[in-house]
Amino acid sequence: NAGVTQTPKFRILKIGQSMTLQCTQDMNHNYMYWYRQDPGMGLKLIYYSVGAGITDKGEVPNGYNVSRSTTEDFPLRLELAAPSQTSVYFCASSPSGEKTQYFGPGTRLLVL
Amino acid sequence: GENVEQHPSTLSVQEGDSAVIKCTYSDSASNYFPWYKQELGKRPQLIIDIRSNVGEKKDQRIAVTLNKTAKHFSLHITETQPEDSAVYFCAASLDALIFGKGTTLSVSS
Repeated sequence: NAGVTQTPKFRILKIGQSMTLQCTQDMNHNYMYWYRQDPGMGLKLIYYSVGAGITDKGEVPNGYNVSRSTTEDFPLRLELAAPSQTSVYFCASSPSGEKTQYFGPGTRLLVL
Repeated sequence: GENVEQHPSTLSVQEGDSAVIKCTYSDSASNYFPWYKQELGKRPQLIIDIRSNVGEKKDQRIAVTLNKTAKHFSLHITETQPEDSAVYFCAASLDALIFGKGTTLSVSS
Protein backbone atom coordinates (compact mmCIF):
# COMPACT_ATOMS: atom_id res chain seq x y z
CA ASN A 1 0.00 0.00 0.00
CA ALA A 2 1.91 3.04 -1.29
CA GLY A 3 -0.66 5.62 -0.16
CA VAL A 4 -0.54 8.86 -2.18
CA THR A 5 2.26 9.14 -4.72
CA GLN A 6 3.26 12.15 -6.82
CA THR A 7 5.52 12.57 -9.81
CA PRO A 8 7.81 14.27 -10.58
CA LYS A 9 9.54 15.22 -7.33
CA PHE A 10 11.11 18.31 -8.88
CA ARG A 11 10.76 20.12 -12.18
CA ILE A 12 12.05 23.30 -13.78
CA LEU A 13 9.81 24.89 -16.41
CA LYS A 14 10.32 27.82 -18.71
CA ILE A 15 7.65 30.52 -18.84
CA GLY A 16 4.88 29.48 -21.22
CA GLN A 17 5.61 25.77 -21.09
CA SER A 18 2.99 23.28 -20.00
CA MET A 19 3.17 20.21 -17.81
CA THR A 20 1.08 17.72 -15.87
CA LEU A 21 1.67 16.89 -12.24
CA GLN A 22 0.67 13.31 -11.53
CA CYS A 23 -1.09 12.09 -8.39
CA THR A 24 -2.15 8.51 -7.67
CA GLN A 25 -3.61 6.89 -4.58
CA ASP A 26 -4.16 3.18 -3.94
CA MET A 27 -6.47 3.48 -0.93
CA ASN A 28 -9.70 3.61 -2.95
CA HIS A 29 -10.42 7.11 -1.62
CA ASN A 30 -13.19 9.00 -3.37
CA TYR A 31 -11.99 12.47 -2.38
CA MET A 32 -8.81 13.96 -3.82
CA TYR A 33 -7.28 17.43 -3.53
CA TRP A 34 -4.55 19.61 -4.98
CA TYR A 35 -2.83 22.25 -2.85
CA ARG A 36 0.02 24.64 -3.44
CA GLN A 37 2.35 25.82 -0.72
CA ASP A 38 4.39 28.97 -1.23
CA PRO A 39 7.47 29.56 0.95
CA GLY A 40 6.57 30.37 4.54
CA MET A 41 2.88 30.04 3.83
CA GLY A 42 0.07 27.60 4.47
CA LEU A 43 -1.53 25.38 1.89
CA LYS A 44 -3.97 26.83 -0.61
CA LEU A 45 -6.57 24.59 -2.22
CA ILE A 46 -6.42 24.62 -6.04
CA TYR A 47 -8.98 21.99 -7.06
CA TYR A 48 -10.68 19.04 -5.49
CA SER A 49 -12.74 16.04 -6.59
CA VAL A 50 -15.38 14.03 -4.74
CA GLY A 51 -15.29 11.16 -7.20
CA ALA A 52 -14.50 10.08 -10.73
CA GLY A 53 -15.89 12.58 -13.23
CA ILE A 54 -16.50 15.32 -10.64
CA THR A 55 -14.18 18.26 -9.98
CA ASP A 56 -14.58 21.60 -8.23
CA LYS A 57 -12.56 24.79 -7.90
CA GLY A 58 -10.81 25.64 -4.67
CA GLU A 59 -9.33 28.93 -3.45
CA VAL A 60 -6.76 29.47 -6.22
CA PRO A 61 -7.81 27.63 -9.44
CA ASN A 62 -6.67 30.17 -12.05
CA GLY A 63 -3.96 28.84 -14.35
CA TYR A 64 -4.68 25.19 -13.58
CA ASN A 65 -6.91 22.42 -14.84
CA VAL A 66 -7.75 18.99 -13.49
CA SER A 67 -9.48 15.82 -14.57
CA ARG A 68 -10.64 12.73 -12.69
CA SER A 69 -11.27 9.85 -15.06
CA THR A 70 -10.51 7.15 -12.45
CA THR A 71 -10.76 6.85 -8.68
CA GLU A 72 -6.98 6.42 -8.40
CA ASP A 73 -5.65 9.32 -10.49
CA PHE A 74 -6.05 13.09 -10.20
CA PRO A 75 -3.63 14.91 -12.52
CA LEU A 76 -3.08 18.68 -12.34
CA ARG A 77 -2.35 20.49 -15.59
CA LEU A 78 -0.49 23.78 -16.02
CA GLU A 79 -1.10 25.09 -19.54
CA LEU A 80 1.03 28.26 -19.66
CA ALA A 81 3.51 28.24 -16.80
CA ALA A 82 4.15 31.59 -15.08
CA PRO A 83 6.73 32.52 -12.40
CA SER A 84 3.84 32.97 -9.95
CA GLN A 85 3.25 29.21 -10.18
CA THR A 86 6.62 28.47 -8.61
CA SER A 87 5.60 26.51 -5.54
CA VAL A 88 5.42 23.12 -3.89
CA TYR A 89 2.36 21.18 -4.94
CA PHE A 90 0.76 18.62 -2.66
CA CYS A 91 -1.89 16.10 -3.58
CA ALA A 92 -4.08 14.58 -0.86
CA SER A 93 -6.91 12.08 -0.58
CA SER A 94 -9.56 11.10 1.93
CA PRO A 95 -12.22 8.40 2.08
CA SER A 96 -15.92 9.24 1.78
CA GLY A 97 -17.46 10.32 5.07
CA GLU A 98 -14.03 10.78 6.64
CA LYS A 99 -12.37 14.16 6.75
CA THR A 100 -8.80 13.07 7.50
CA GLN A 101 -6.62 13.87 4.49
CA TYR A 102 -3.53 11.89 3.55
CA PHE A 103 -0.86 13.85 1.73
CA GLY A 104 1.56 12.85 -0.98
CA PRO A 105 5.27 13.77 -0.80
CA GLY A 106 4.89 16.87 -2.97
CA THR A 107 6.22 18.18 -6.28
CA ARG A 108 8.57 21.13 -6.25
CA LEU A 109 8.05 23.31 -9.32
CA LEU A 110 10.29 26.17 -10.41
CA VAL A 111 9.18 28.39 -13.31
CA LEU A 112 11.90 30.56 -14.82
CA GLY B 1 -15.83 31.59 2.36
CA GLU B 2 -13.90 30.28 5.33
CA ASN B 3 -10.90 32.23 6.64
CA VAL B 4 -8.47 30.86 9.20
CA GLU B 5 -6.11 33.04 11.23
CA GLN B 6 -3.23 31.45 13.14
CA HIS B 7 -1.02 32.92 15.88
CA PRO B 8 1.78 33.24 16.65
CA SER B 9 3.76 32.91 13.42
CA THR B 10 6.88 31.88 15.36
CA LEU B 11 7.25 30.38 18.82
CA SER B 12 10.44 29.56 20.69
CA VAL B 13 10.39 27.52 23.89
CA GLN B 14 12.82 25.68 26.11
CA GLU B 15 12.73 21.90 26.22
CA GLY B 16 10.16 20.79 28.77
CA ASP B 17 8.05 23.94 28.48
CA SER B 18 4.52 23.99 27.07
CA ALA B 19 3.61 25.50 23.70
CA VAL B 20 0.23 26.89 22.68
CA ILE B 21 -0.85 27.81 19.17
CA LYS B 22 -4.18 29.49 18.53
CA CYS B 23 -6.45 29.66 15.49
CA THR B 24 -9.68 31.47 14.73
CA TYR B 25 -12.10 30.69 11.92
CA SER B 26 -14.87 32.68 10.29
CA ASP B 27 -17.48 30.18 9.08
CA SER B 28 -19.63 28.93 11.94
CA ALA B 29 -20.68 25.97 9.76
CA SER B 30 -17.16 24.48 9.82
CA ASN B 31 -17.22 21.22 11.74
CA TYR B 32 -13.77 19.66 11.47
CA PHE B 33 -10.51 21.12 12.80
CA PRO B 34 -7.25 19.23 12.18
CA TRP B 35 -3.70 20.14 13.12
CA TYR B 36 -0.78 19.20 10.89
CA LYS B 37 2.94 19.09 11.58
CA GLN B 38 5.34 19.72 8.72
CA GLU B 39 9.07 19.17 8.97
CA LEU B 40 11.38 20.89 6.51
CA GLY B 41 11.01 19.45 3.02
CA LYS B 42 8.39 16.92 4.11
CA ARG B 43 4.67 16.50 3.63
CA PRO B 44 2.16 17.68 6.26
CA GLN B 45 1.35 14.98 8.79
CA LEU B 46 -1.88 14.94 10.79
CA ILE B 47 -1.14 15.01 14.52
CA ILE B 48 -4.57 15.52 16.03
CA ASP B 49 -8.05 16.61 14.99
CA ILE B 50 -11.30 17.58 16.64
CA ARG B 51 -14.87 17.68 15.48
CA SER B 52 -17.46 20.30 16.33
CA ASN B 53 -19.37 18.12 18.78
CA VAL B 54 -16.34 17.81 21.08
CA GLY B 55 -14.73 20.53 23.22
CA GLU B 56 -11.38 18.92 23.92
CA LYS B 57 -9.28 16.00 22.74
CA LYS B 58 -5.98 14.73 24.07
CA ASP B 59 -3.35 12.36 22.73
CA GLN B 60 -0.36 11.92 25.05
CA ARG B 61 1.49 15.29 25.09
CA ILE B 62 -0.81 16.92 22.54
CA ALA B 63 -4.26 18.37 23.16
CA VAL B 64 -6.68 20.47 21.16
CA THR B 65 -9.48 22.61 22.52
CA LEU B 66 -12.40 24.04 20.58
CA ASN B 67 -14.66 26.96 21.48
CA LYS B 68 -17.44 27.01 18.89
CA THR B 69 -19.10 30.08 20.32
CA ALA B 70 -15.95 32.14 19.97
CA LYS B 71 -14.90 30.29 16.80
CA HIS B 72 -11.42 29.50 17.96
CA PHE B 73 -9.38 26.38 18.64
CA SER B 74 -5.96 25.81 20.11
CA LEU B 75 -3.14 23.27 20.05
CA HIS B 76 -1.37 22.55 23.32
CA ILE B 77 1.93 20.67 23.44
CA THR B 78 3.25 19.81 26.90
CA GLU B 79 6.78 18.74 27.89
CA THR B 80 8.15 19.90 24.55
CA GLN B 81 11.11 18.07 23.04
CA PRO B 82 13.59 19.15 20.32
CA GLU B 83 11.89 16.77 17.87
CA ASP B 84 8.70 18.83 18.25
CA SER B 85 10.46 21.60 16.28
CA ALA B 86 8.54 22.02 13.01
CA VAL B 87 5.88 24.14 11.34
CA TYR B 88 2.38 23.52 12.64
CA PHE B 89 -0.74 24.28 10.62
CA CYS B 90 -4.32 24.48 11.76
CA ALA B 91 -7.21 24.07 9.36
CA ALA B 92 -10.98 24.35 9.37
CA SER B 93 -13.37 22.45 7.18
CA LEU B 94 -16.94 22.10 6.16
CA ASP B 95 -16.22 20.56 2.75
CA ALA B 96 -12.61 21.41 1.91
CA LEU B 97 -9.76 22.23 4.30
CA ILE B 98 -8.78 25.89 4.67
CA PHE B 99 -5.37 26.25 6.30
CA GLY B 100 -3.84 28.86 8.55
CA LYS B 101 -0.45 30.30 7.58
CA GLY B 102 1.48 28.17 10.05
CA THR B 103 3.50 28.52 13.24
CA THR B 104 7.21 27.75 13.30
CA LEU B 105 7.92 26.10 16.65
CA SER B 106 11.52 25.94 17.83
CA VAL B 107 12.35 23.88 20.92
CA SER B 108 15.82 24.44 22.28
CA SER B 109 17.56 22.04 24.65
